[in-house]
Amino acid sequence: SQKIEQNSEALNIQEGKTATLTCNYTNYSPAYLQWYRQDPGRGPVFLLLIRENEKEKRKERLKVTFDTTLKQSLFHITASQPADSATYLCALHTGTASKLTFGTGTRLQVTL
Amino acid sequence: NAGVMQNPRHLVRRRGQEARLRCSPMKGHSHVYWYRQLPEEGLKFMVYLQKENIIDESGMPKERFSAEFPKEGPSILRIQQVVRGDSAAYFCASSYQGVSAYEQYFGPGTRLTVT
Repeated sequence: SQKIEQNSEALNIQEGKTATLTCNYTNYSPAYLQWYRQDPGRGPVFLLLIRENEKEKRKERLKVTFDTTLKQSLFHITASQPADSATYLCALHTGTASKLTFGTGTRLQVTL
Repeated sequence: NAGVMQNPRHLVRRRGQEARLRCSPMKGHSHVYWYRQLPEEGLKFMVYLQKENIIDESGMPKERFSAEFPKEGPSILRIQQVVRGDSAAYFCASSYQGVSAYEQYFGPGTRLTVT
């Protein structure tokens, strides 16, 4: 069956360190993969999109990698800040489908 | 430029009543998606609409749920004869191009509570 797995346990890191979140998928062949941030009581906010033929994408302190052989994406936040504390969702979009399929998200807590 | 707007933000309905959720996409966006999020669960796709057309409703329950996106006005997600299991947060998203790689912009959600 198709699955998108994100670490369900919260990730706690110290301010200034790099946070790395993992998204693994099975039985999908995604053309694109997206990462969103969701704060409690709010809708998800788009962060980054990476295509299947791209290995890495960066935006300010954010970096996403996409390994279609390992069927995995890694999401990095460098120099993390308490304001980065939120739940981060990965989502797959297959080229012929019109919808995004989301993982359950990983909660990140950045402490001083 | 206003973002995606949803109303109401909170909706309480008794079992058997109808719930009507509204979504106005971002200006210039003609593609609308509805998702449902249950507590401690991920976002689940429900339906994808363009103006006056349902493109993909593969995530919609077969009964009691319907959606529309008329030529004028907001998109509406309608739930008839609500049951307790319908209690969830319902999010609407819009995009500039539908079947594409473009990001989706989400609204703040409507939290439906069925008593």
